[in-house]
Order: sequence, then C-alpha cells, then structure tokens
Amino acid sequence: QSALTQPRSVSGSPGQSVTISCTGTSSDVGGYNYVSWYQQHPGKAPKLMIYDVSKRPSGVPDRFSGSKSGNTASLTISGLQAEDEADYYCCSYAGSYTLVVFGGGTKLTVL
Amino acid sequence: QVQLVQSGAEVKKPGASVKVSCKASGYTFTSYYMHWVRQAPGQGLEWMGIINPSGGSTSYAQKFQGRVTMTRDTSTSTVYMELSSLRSEDTAVYYCARSKKDVGALGAFDIWGQGTMVTVSS
Repeated sequence: QSALTQPRSVSGSPGQSVTISCTGTSSDVGGYNYVSWYQQHPGKAPKLMIYDVSKRPSGVPDRFSGSKSGNTASLTISGLQAEDEADYYCCSYAGSYTLVVFGGGTKLTVL
Repeated sequence: QVQLVQSGAEVKKPGASVKVSCKASGYTFTSYYMHWVRQAPGQGLEWMGIINPSGGSTSYAQKFQGRVTMTRDTSTSTVYMELSSLRSEDTAVYYCARSKKDVGALGAFDIWGQGTMVTVSS
C-alpha cells in the first residue's frame, strides 16, 4: 500500500480538464510545500511535470498545474490532448526520517 | 546533454544479489543527489534510497534497510545499487534519478535513467 492515496483512474475528452488528487498526511503532503508530479508513458521512465506543489520545469506546457489544500495535493490538466494519456504519480518530501513517498499512481484515459 | 545511463537487464536466482550501475554525464556529478526508485510489473513507483555522490553518505527506505547498498565512484561519475537476498517480489525495473541538493527538492527528480529490468526467478 502506497503512502499517498490517488484515484486508480480518471478520464476526460479532448479539450476538457481533469484533476487528479493525492492525499497524504500532515507528515508529508500537509507538512511541506514539496509535492511533485510525474507523467509516465508505457515502457518509459517517469517525467517530472510539477515540483514544489505548483512549479513547472522548463518545457512542460502550462496546461499542467498543481495546487495543495491541507493534506491533499492536486494536478490539473486543462485542454486535454491525446498525448496526455499516461500514468501520473504524486510524490512528497516526508521529513528527515522517511524522506520521500510516492502515490500509487493514476491512469489517465483520454476518451 | 545531461543523461543517466544504466546497465543492462539482469536475471538472478532467489537468494542472489544484483548490482546495477548508473553513469552520469553532462553535469557536475557531485552537485546533485542520486536516488534509486523501482517499479514492479504493473505497479507504482517505490523510492528505495539516496546517495550523496560528494561524500558517499546514504539513506535507505526502511523497507530495504539491511538489503540495499548504494555506492559511488567519482572517477567515473557512476553510482551503484546492490540489492541482496533477492526474492521474486524484487522483480522490477530499477531507475536511478537525480535531484538537487535541497531538502525540499528531494522528491523532485528532474533526470531519470532509462531503467534496468531485474528478474528474480528460479
């Protein structure tokens, strides 16, 4: 069982927006503004999409945005495109003992 | 360009050990932490631990304490992950991934290796 809880799947039609949630505790998501999100296509390595809750690395489209409220972080993808279909994982700093925890992953289907 | 290149696939018997390498290029090796993350077939990502290439200090996830050893060779800009007492549940793709040397950046892996498939089977 993963430390962070994500929905197993979400779906949306091209052009629509979808939001993926990531629920943790006050020891990880809620305790720090250090949540990141990864996109993973089948057979590929994960790609960093969001870090520090809401910052985008260079080259990531601004259709991808992140936010956090309490112990839950969210990734929103607006203007869905076919190539957004992938698995998405959240990740959080979890303090000096545990350090890093991942969510279980969410499969995004573009209908 | 900045890249991490990992060693090739491995097949091991239960009880054996495996050592996976990750060679860094295109940046200053000692200026970033290196992590190991694994992914069992059809499953999610699992953080295993971290090594500071500068001094060699490590920190491992509790689940792997006593079974994993991470080392580095600064002369070749390579980090290694050795996992011992292998069992079938260790069958997975093992990734190395880089992060900045900030506490808050520990979960922000900006560069990943291509992954190494380790199969544990009798």
